[in-house]
Amino acid sequence: SQQGEEDPQALSIQEGENATMNCSYKTSINNLQWYRQNSGRGLVHLILIRSNEREKHSGRLRVTLDTSKKSSSLLITASRAADTASYFCATDFQGAQKLVFGQGTRLTINP
Amino acid sequence: ETGVTQSPTHLIKTRGQQVTLRCSSQSGHNTVSWYQQALGQGPQFIFQYYREEENGRGNFPPRFSGLQFPNYSSELNVNALELDDSALYLCASSQNTHPGEQFFGPGTRLTVL
Repeated sequence: SQQGEEDPQALSIQEGENATMNCSYKTSINNLQWYRQNSGRGLVHLILIRSNEREKHSGRLRVTLDTSKKSSSLLITASRAADTASYFCATDFQGAQKLVFGQGTRLTINP
Repeated sequence: ETGVTQSPTHLIKTRGQQVTLRCSSQSGHNTVSWYQQALGQGPQFIFQYYREEENGRGNFPPRFSGLQFPNYSSELNVNALELDDSALYLCASSQNTHPGEQFFGPGTRLTVL
């Protein structure tokens, strides 16, 4: 299976704290993306990082990519209650537009 | 809002029936991909359509079929529904010149009884 794996499966933190989620994958990739999903709804694209990039920022989001370890991390700083959601990493497969998703990390921000 | 729309929002069917789900892609996008997301799982790729032809397929049986129209909108058809087909069906559109970057619609929740 080329599916990625997120770690941890669930994360609960206090509002204002930072949240870090990790993703590992198995095959070579062209890019890796992170998506957010609020309960039972569509996926919201957060950030895309290409295989030749090591770090990328977008607002309170910071994504790193280590292709030698086939892993990525998503850091959300100064978390807010609205950040409560499931977060998925997705990798392209053999350069195709097919995305392969992990099982997701369920993030809960406690007020 | 991504500009990708799906209909219907919810659907209840019984085993053995057939269902058609619809997706309108974001303006400027010529590629549509369909994913199935079971409860508590990540989305799984069903197939992709580009220029009205299937352009890749995941591990789904032939009773899952699709169409893409000249305006790039798409349909997903599922025949002989099974209980395990109950899931959220997500449509994603993309521009083939930007591989990987896909924008998702809100999904159709299908329940098979």
